[in-house]
Amino acid sequence: GQNIDQPTEMTATEGAIVQINCTYQTSGFNGLFWYQQHAGEAPTFLSYNVLDGLEEKGRFSSFLSRSKGYSYLLLKELQMKDSASYLCAVRHLSGNTPLVFGKGTRLSVIA
Amino acid sequence: DAGVTQSPTHLIKTRGQQVTLRCSPKSGHDTVSWYQQALGQGPQFIFQYYEEEERQRGNFPDRFSGHQFPNYSSELNVNALLLGDSALYLCASSASGTGRETQYFGPGTRLLVL
Repeated sequence: GQNIDQPTEMTATEGAIVQINCTYQTSGFNGLFWYQQHAGEAPTFLSYNVLDGLEEKGRFSSFLSRSKGYSYLLLKELQMKDSASYLCAVRHLSGNTPLVFGKGTRLSVIA
Repeated sequence: DAGVTQSPTHLIKTRGQQVTLRCSPKSGHDTVSWYQQALGQGPQFIFQYYEEEERQRGNFPDRFSGHQFPNYSSELNVNALLLGDSALYLCASSASGTGRETQYFGPGTRLLVL
């Protein structure tokens, strides 16, 4: 089976930096995605990693280590609007195939 | 450019009834995937459509069926509804052959089965 683990909840302070970890055990690997989902809304795409290393996009960065089955999403200069669930998802088959999602990490940003 | 659209936004049904949910993909996308998201959980893959055929299927019973039309839009049908089918149903579209083939999600249909 496919297994993706991430912490259930995290709390961080406005202006701070937070790192959300994700570990995965899947039968194959063809990319890891991070999505942001505000309560009652659809997931929105944040980042994609397929090679080891760090991908930076503004205040958000995502890191991947394929040998360790590990990724993290780094959020800098936290804002109240960053309070949301963050979903880690793996594409374990090649081509345009479905994603396997973790349960999500609910991040609360406090003043 | 319109993103992924879904209809209806909310739906209330009773046990045993049937429901049809609709999805229009983002312009230029040819693949539609459906996911079920229970409260507090990540999305669970139901099935994926490409070239009007079901290409992949997740671990869902045959009560869940779908269709893709020539214009790439898609429907999800659920028969003999159970209380446990209450969830947010998400449609995601993607374009084949682009490399990363990122899936973009619609706003979802929130289904409540009473």
